[in-house]
Amino acid sequence: GIQVEQSPPDLILQEGANSTLRCNFSDSVNNLQWFHQNPWGQLINLFYIPSGTKQNGRLSATTVATERYSLLYISSSQTTDSGVYFCAVGIQGAQKLVFGQGTRLTINP
Amino acid sequence: KAGVTQTPRYLIKTRGQQVTLSCSPISGHRSVSWYQQTPGQGLQFLFEYFSETQRNKGNFPGRFSGRQFSNSRSEMNVSTLELGDSALYLCASKSGGSYNEQFFGPGTRLTVL
Repeated sequence: GIQVEQSPPDLILQEGANSTLRCNFSDSVNNLQWFHQNPWGQLINLFYIPSGTKQNGRLSATTVATERYSLLYISSSQTTDSGVYFCAVGIQGAQKLVFGQGTRLTINP
Repeated sequence: KAGVTQTPRYLIKTRGQQVTLSCSPISGHRSVSWYQQTPGQGLQFLFEYFSETQRNKGNFPGRFSGRQFSNSRSEMNVSTLELGDSALYLCASKSGGSYNEQFFGPGTRLTVL
């Protein structure tokens, strides 16, 4: 089956820093989503981005489907950005998401 | 629109018991998926239902089962609970096709003693 790898596994930054999270996938996808898991466990939708670039405030994402990777950018990090970020992909007809192992981001004040 | 809701939010059971978890999708969404999250295995797909039919199933033992009702609400059942079934169970809904964005509920945290 399709493999999804996220890097780095852990990232510790100071407030105000910028960060880039990467997601590599091993096959063609027709769905790619980025999530932030809050401390209570809920997955919060950040981006639905099977290809192209999107921006939402301090966050932006880029997916290069032909090269099988996606990047999540967080600028001017805040302590509330801390948590685990997941990339998940879906393939044609599979009706499911395959998740990476996540990147744990810690923003220190 | 109201988001995906899951009940109960927390559950404690003992080995050998069975448990039923419930999920109500976003209004108008006909697809409901279930995922299990554990520290060791991460987020894994359990099954997906659309219009009361299971369309896809993950690699879990037959003790894990589910169903969907005509109003798109879904339940999952785990029989003969094992310690390893302790996990966060997440439900997601989407409008239908495999390319559609999925939205997750808050989860049910199951502890098996």
